[in-house]
Amino acid sequence: NAGVTQTPKFQVLKTGQSMTLQCAQDMNHNSMYWYRQDPGMGLRLIYYSASEGTTDKGEVPNGYNVSRLNKREFSLRLESAAPSQTSVYFCASSEGRKETQYFGPGTRLLVL
Amino acid sequence: EDQVTQSPEALRLQEGESSSLNCSYTVSGLRGLFWYRQDPGKGPEFLFTLYSAGEEKEKERLKATLTKKESFLHITAPKPEDSATYLCAASLMFSGGYNKLIFGAGTRLAVHP
Repeated sequence: NAGVTQTPKFQVLKTGQSMTLQCAQDMNHNSMYWYRQDPGMGLRLIYYSASEGTTDKGEVPNGYNVSRLNKREFSLRLESAAPSQTSVYFCASSEGRKETQYFGPGTRLLVL
Repeated sequence: EDQVTQSPEALRLQEGESSSLNCSYTVSGLRGLFWYRQDPGKGPEFLFTLYSAGEEKEKERLKATLTKKESFLHITAPKPEDSATYLCAASLMFSGGYNKLIFGAGTRLAVHP
């Protein structure tokens, strides 16, 4: 089992460019999440998907969109990147809404 | 406001020097307290979940405890490979029956030989 995988590992964007961060899990989990991690701050939830076909906003959803493509895959899209979106992005999954979350290796994004 | 605070921000230990990391929380309706380990450039790795005051869990040199206001991660006789950032997160009810995790900023632990 690979667990939770994320692509790309690292990306540099210019302000205004768009990109999609990909996440996949092979643990047959129902729920998936996107977080961002900034220096000196805890992980903050951007969006989550409690089950296939549903998505909901977390604490910091502005500037992002998500798609739950199927049970395995959950993507995060930046339509018009801003320097404030420079961060490390983590995808996580859990068996249900209340279970332990397991994290991917992260995508490091730099917006110039 | 729901909040999780970890202290110290950074801790340097000599190999074999035991210590404790603190996670204090002010949340309404705690559903669980999670501990994760994060190595540089990697994602958080799950360690423990504690659900009620007085509960303790152990794994190798680590022991996590929980009170009504805080949790401690005790590290006994640490080794250099225990060096990492340790994150705690409080789980509380969110909308739609979902449990939301509120993370602390972490404690960076360095264990030197």
